[in-house]
Amino acid sequence: QQQVKQSPQSLIVQKGGIPIINCAYENTAFDYFPWYQQFPGKGPALLIAIRPDVSEKKEGRFTISFNKSAKQFSLHIMDSQPGDSATYFCAASMGTSGTYKYIFGTGTRLKVLA
Amino acid sequence: DTAVSQTPKYLVTQMGNDKSIKCEQNLGHDTMYWYKQDSKKFLKIMFSYNNKELIINETVPNRFSPKSPDKAHLNLHINSLELGDSAVYFCASSHTGRKTQYFGPGTRLLVL
Repeated sequence: QQQVKQSPQSLIVQKGGIPIINCAYENTAFDYFPWYQQFPGKGPALLIAIRPDVSEKKEGRFTISFNKSAKQFSLHIMDSQPGDSATYFCAASMGTSGTYKYIFGTGTRLKVLA
Repeated sequence: DTAVSQTPKYLVTQMGNDKSIKCEQNLGHDTMYWYKQDSKKFLKIMFSYNNKELIINETVPNRFSPKSPDKAHLNLHINSLELGDSAVYFCASSHTGRKTQYFGPGTRLLVL
């Protein structure tokens, strides 16, 4: 019940395309859903995050769509660029007493072709 | 620069040795975490400390012992290293009550 399922495992798009990465969860106790971007040899960096009371959030070229009833959320990257080539992780957060733990998806390796 | 930093960046050691990884954050956060990323890139939480107190311990072998000397530091000591401990270990931090976590650059541990 604490799993977060992420798909696809890898994705190749042309420059300017709109890659979409999907995540699904079961536990309704999750209350915060961040996306992280990780370049090879680097730590994960927060990209964008959403709370379950919001259905969509945009920051620059990155958009999260959230479907609370389906327990699914997705990341869309508009006008993708070769520099967006990285591994993307969705996560779901739950916790008490002010400390939260992330349950991560398995990651999606994105390659944007020039 | 304000950040989460880890030392060392790379660690190569023999099976059976004991090693430590250090983490420091200067973001003024009071909650710190250790995550393990395996060879398939799967990230899993190991520990969380809040104000030097252990809050989360995710069924990690007791060969792993975190220590938090103060709110800005969280170290990870590993005894009797095994081949399966080879991974990238990430430290992260956050404000108490805030859900956004900031990750360090990772320590790449290879056990031979």
